[in-house]
Amino acid sequence: QKEVEQNSGPLSVPEGAIASLNCTYSDRGSQSFFWYRQYSGKSPELIMSIYSNGDKEDGRFTAQLNKASQYVSLLIRDSQPSDSATYLCAVNWAGNTPLVFGKGTRLSVIA
Amino acid sequence: EADIYQTPRYLVIGTGKKITLECSQTMGHDKMYWYQQDPGMELHLIHYSYGVNSTEKGDLSSESTVSRIRTEHFPLTLESARPSHTSQYLCASSGRTGGHEQYFGPGTRLTVT
Repeated sequence: QKEVEQNSGPLSVPEGAIASLNCTYSDRGSQSFFWYRQYSGKSPELIMSIYSNGDKEDGRFTAQLNKASQYVSLLIRDSQPSDSATYLCAVNWAGNTPLVFGKGTRLSVIA
Repeated sequence: EADIYQTPRYLVIGTGKKITLECSQTMGHDKMYWYQQDPGMELHLIHYSYGVNSTEKGDLSSESTVSRIRTEHFPLTLESARPSHTSQYLCASSGRTGGHEQYFGPGTRLTVT
């Protein structure tokens, strides 16, 4: 059983702080990793993808991947109240399979 | 970014009715998916397709059925709606390139009375 684990939260951070969201996965053979943002009542939106070890930055977002530790994280710098949402981690085990999603971490940015 | 459409966006219907939720994408993606999600809860994969005439059941048992006659179209049908089917239904698609990332439609919120 492929598993993707996330802390459900809520994770509360003050406005302007760095929010750190974590995700672990069970299969060492996993190939690609994604972070989705889902606002309440809306559909998930892809915000970051990462395929190799290290950091990948896009604006205020940084994804970090450590395949040896089976760990992927998302950092949000200068957090804004508009970042308040549920963040879903998703993993692709092998090319032609559906993504496996974690249950999501609810982030609340306090103004 | 994929263009993926779902209709209707909201549906309130009585018990026993047959319903079809529509999903279409214009990106030429070969793979399409249906998820069910209750408010504040996790995503559950209920059906997926890797191409025309290909359909598979997902992780969550569902009384719904799907078809894939055209690449761009992946409708979901409930033959007899029940209150337990009340939920949000999300359609997604992915292509052959990249890391197989999935793009989601806006969803259909179904209420069965």
